[in-house]
Amino acid sequence: DIQMTQSPSSLSASVGDRVTITCRASQPISSNLNWYQQRPGKAPKLLIYAASSLQSGVPSRFSGSGSGTDFTLTFSSLQPEDFASYYCQQSYSTPYTFGQGTKLEIK
Amino acid sequence: QVQLVQSGAEVKKPGASVKVSCTATGYTFTTYDITWVRQAPGQGLEWMGWISDYNGNTEYAQSLQGRVTMTTDTPTSTAHMELRSLRSDDTAVYYCARVIVVVSPRGKFDAFDIWGQGTMVSVSS
Repeated sequence: DIQMTQSPSSLSASVGDRVTITCRASQPISSNLNWYQQRPGKAPKLLIYAASSLQSGVPSRFSGSGSGTDFTLTFSSLQPEDFASYYCQQSYSTPYTFGQGTKLEIK
Repeated sequence: QVQLVQSGAEVKKPGASVKVSCTATGYTFTTYDITWVRQAPGQGLEWMGWISDYNGNTEYAQSLQGRVTMTTDTPTSTAHMELRSLRSDDTAVYYCARVIVVVSPRGKFDAFDIWGQGTMVSVSS
């Protein structure tokens, strides 16, 4: 199975900050990497697919990059509604594994 | 409105079975595969498997092989996930999600774009 490792596991930041979360795959996965946002008590929401493609309706302050084994999710300017947990997920091969998550908290 | 609506919370005893349903509205059910993901309390996301209503193909996570069955009912646009021989560590929120496949010059990419609201399954004696 492909292992996905996110860092950091938690992060404190302020509204307006530029923030980057990273995700590393245990083997190359091309650009088969998705990012999800999950608010407490809610289902995950797709933000980015294919490493860098913004899902319809997702604000442009979110961006994704990377290929191979190293990927990033960047927030250009944090908004209050962005404080949530974020998960990367590889869709290169089954089982489709997720990272352990990054909890983004307000400083 | 495109959505997936799941059945309600369940409380089960160890050794029992549970069947969770997921009804699709607002799109043609047979056009997309359905996947199932679970999340134990305070933990991350675990992929359980997927099913194609188009041809009935399924694939399950190795950790659940022999205990899980995913089915679909095309006339009602409903997917079902049955988990047997429940254990306490099966306590989790179970989600269904729609699988989209994007084909671009860069390749073919899967993602889960529409999620159900989740079904809490509690296993306790």
